Amino acid sequence: DTAVSQTPKYLVTQMGNDKSIKCEQNLGHDTMYWYKQDSKKFLKIMFSYNNKELIINETVPNRFSPKSPDKAHLNLHINSLELGDSAVYFCATGTTGGWGEKLFFGSGTQLSVL
Amino acid sequence: QKEVEQDPGPLSVPEGAIVSLNCTYSNSAFQYFMWYRQYSRKGPELLMYTYSSGNKEDGRFTAQVDKSSKYISLFIRDSQPSDSATYLCATPPAGTSYGKLTFGQGTILTVHP
Repeated sequence: DTAVSQTPKYLVTQMGNDKSIKCEQNLGHDTMYWYKQDSKKFLKIMFSYNNKELIINETVPNRFSPKSPDKAHLNLHINSLELGDSAVYFCATGTTGGWGEKLFFGSGTQLSVL
Repeated sequence: QKEVEQDPGPLSVPEGAIVSLNCTYSNSAFQYFMWYRQYSRKGPELLMYTYSSGNKEDGRFTAQVDKSSKYISLFIRDSQPSDSATYLCATPPAGTSYGKLTFGQGTILTVHP
């Protein structure tokens, strides 16, 4: 039973389209995240949600809109996709706040914008 | 200057070798350090974490922190082909982090039989 599951695994789309990535976790953690990994493997946080409340928004363009219907789900909607959005997007979950959270990552969604 | 720097490699070693993976960081306020392992087409998974200076050992893996030089290391003894992966060091900011980890670029390691 996968702890953090993301769909789809691969997403190929044209510039200008709108797409969504879904994430679900069954670990019972309060906090969920979206991280972006670029082609050089740099992994950077985009958003953090705690109990459905937005905690961190790392100056991500407002074309990216996360939505958390409940604490087990965190979806990412992207409007007007651009070439530079091509990357691997990881959903993650972890324990609440404090030092040294241990993050559990999904397998990633590889987004290719053509 | 990036907050966490890591040589991307790639690093190729024979099976059984001792592997040394390293990161440097710039902010002396960082106190917690982690190593994540990422297999190809998978998400990172936490391998080890350490707090403050010193060594921490877990099986064939040893994590080391030298705060005076802002240097963190991961040693793998008796490396196996199954250790082939990208290894990422990470640290949360000082204070409450809410999972906002700063990652190094990752070092690609290949252990060949």
